[in-house]
Amino acid sequence: TQLLEQSPQFLSIQEGENLTVYCNSSSVFSSLQWYRQEPGEGPVLLVTVVTGGEVKKLKRLTFQFGDARKDSSLHITAAQPGDTGLYLCAGPKGANSKLTFGKGITLSVRP
Amino acid sequence: GAGVSQSPRYKVAKRGQDVALRCDPISGHVSLFWYQQALGQGPEFLTYFQNEAQLDKSGLPSDRFFAERPEGSVSTLKIQRTQQEDSAVYLCASSLGTVDYGYTFGSGTRLTVV
Repeated sequence: TQLLEQSPQFLSIQEGENLTVYCNSSSVFSSLQWYRQEPGEGPVLLVTVVTGGEVKKLKRLTFQFGDARKDSSLHITAAQPGDTGLYLCAGPKGANSKLTFGKGITLSVRP
Repeated sequence: GAGVSQSPRYKVAKRGQDVALRCDPISGHVSLFWYQQALGQGPEFLTYFQNEAQLDKSGLPSDRFFAERPEGSVSTLKIQRTQQEDSAVYLCASSLGTVDYGYTFGSGTRLTVV
């Protein structure tokens, strides 16, 4: 059983469209992080959300942490081809601060 | 350097061969992590170092996998007697300390066992 479930698994949209993707868990997390990974590269940290209900904006990307700290969403406004990539959510679980990752959402934005 | 450096970028090994993957973390980063990533999947935890101490190796899939960080800087992940199921991207990440800082990942080593 995956600790962090991400949905949808795949998404292909046209440039300029808006989208929302999700990261859900039955467990409470002290924080959640979102990463974006491009082919052939390692994941790059986008944001860390810490407080239940918190909303953070990064240009056209809006991240929200659920009130109960069990889920998070990522909304992208007016998607661009440069937004294409694998979006991963991750949270600390267990000892030693190791991050547990979801399986990721593959986003393709067509010009 | 400014980022986490991994080498080699690509490695093709014959089944049964031993391989060694290198990670050079950001200078001053205390924590170092190794992850394994299958194609189109999220990274799976392998092992964690705090300085030179290996504090968690619970994710290593078998005793053929071994990691070290003898001087608290560069780390090496060694896989003995490689099998086809070991084919994956191996990612190294370093961090200043607590997980809230987030990880800085290297570009990974893509291992293909033939």
